[in-house]
Amino acid sequence: ELKVEQNPLFLSMQEGKNYTIYCNYSTTSDRLYWYRQDPGKSLESLFVLLSNGAVKQEGRLMASLDTKARLSTLHITAAVHDLSATYFCAVDMNDRDNYGQNFVFGPGTRLSVLP
Amino acid sequence: GAVVSQHPSRVICKSGTSVKIECRSLDFQATTMFWYRQFPKQSLMLMATSNEGSKATYEQGVEKDKFLINHASLTLSTLTVTSAHPEDSSFYICSAGLLGTGRNQPQHFGDGTRLSIL
Repeated sequence: ELKVEQNPLFLSMQEGKNYTIYCNYSTTSDRLYWYRQDPGKSLESLFVLLSNGAVKQEGRLMASLDTKARLSTLHITAAVHDLSATYFCAVDMNDRDNYGQNFVFGPGTRLSVLP
Repeated sequence: GAVVSQHPSRVICKSGTSVKIECRSLDFQATTMFWYRQFPKQSLMLMATSNEGSKATYEQGVEKDKFLINHASLTLSTLTVTSAHPEDSSFYICSAGLLGTGRNQPQHFGDGTRLSIL
């Protein structure tokens, strides 16, 4: 059964600082997604990572995928207040199975960027 | 940019009522749409993949007869929560990707529907 973990679950950081959010998962996959959710709002798609070694960057956010380590990172550079939100990773299993969910979200990382 | 419209944004109704939620892609066609639910202060769960012109694919543990999905056109998918009960209260979100891309491209999300069953 696919399990997805995120670390940390809560993150408070100062503007201008750098930090990394980690997403690790329990079974083989080369499809990983990052989303952002503002309080009370829907989701926004940030990154789609579809192969080992994939790296994508948008503004102050950069995501990478290491399928051998079953790990993805979301790196924040020079954080600004507008980045405050909850960030979710999600993993899509390569091989469908009937014993659990095949597309699983992590628990989310609640990020607060303080002035 | 691609826009997904979800309606209604909020529903409050009595137990036993059936509730229909619409998800429309406004300026693009989507052969595939996805439905998710989110309990308060929790993560999200994919419920099902809605396929235009064919049956939806439900994730393990999601009751097909409870959550009816219809994707009759390339721009509209509906989720009907049948005979809703308080435990069905949740935030339901849909998403769509551009035609033929499934989940391999960024999804465009609706604004969500907050369902409260009394």
